[in-house]
Amino acid sequence: QKEVEQNSGPLSVPEGAIASLNCTYSDRGSQSFFWYRQYSGKSPELIMFIYSNGDKEDGRFTAQLNKASQYVSLLIRDSQPSDSATYLCASPSKGDSSYKLIFGSGTRLLVRP
Amino acid sequence: EAGVAQSPRYKIIEKRQSVAFWCNPISGHATLYWYQQILGQGPKLLIQFQNNGVVDDSQLPKDRFSAERLKGVDSTLKIQPAKLEDSAVYLCASSLGGAGGSIYGYTFGSGTRLTVV
Repeated sequence: QKEVEQNSGPLSVPEGAIASLNCTYSDRGSQSFFWYRQYSGKSPELIMFIYSNGDKEDGRFTAQLNKASQYVSLLIRDSQPSDSATYLCASPSKGDSSYKLIFGSGTRLLVRP
Repeated sequence: EAGVAQSPRYKIIEKRQSVAFWCNPISGHATLYWYQQILGQGPKLLIQFQNNGVVDDSQLPKDRFSAERLKGVDSTLKIQPAKLEDSAVYLCASSLGGAGGSIYGYTFGSGTRLTVV
């Protein structure tokens, strides 16, 4: 069974700082990763997808994938209090005809005003 | 595009009672998933359907949980009898299926929060 590991946090950063969220995975065959954001009491929403080694940027978010070291990270620049949420890392596990996402336990981010 | 619809939003039942949840996926999404998310944990897959067939139910507690997907569209998840440890949010998600699922991820419904007392 593939595993995706995250530090549960909370990670506390001041407003305007860079928040760095990390995720490690056990399956060297994992090809892609998703980052979901989950506000308290809400369902997860997809914010980033990364497939290749290196960085992928989307607005204030940058996802970084290092397949050799088996970790993926999410950087949030200019953190805002509205970024306070739990961030879930997930990797697809391929079955015969479809995929399922394996989720980490999530890292809670708190951005202090 | 309408999202994934789930009902009810909240449910409180006593242990040993039964409960059912309903999900309507995004139109055209072949793959439907039910996840269980216990407070403070990440979502855990219970069952995955491809059209109306079960693809993966390896983590579904089959002695008490059952699920079906009629005509490859709507799905229901049932728990009978419920235990205290079933208290969780039950999330339904759908995806295009096939390679699309690995690239586009899924869209989750709003979830059903179940409390077993």
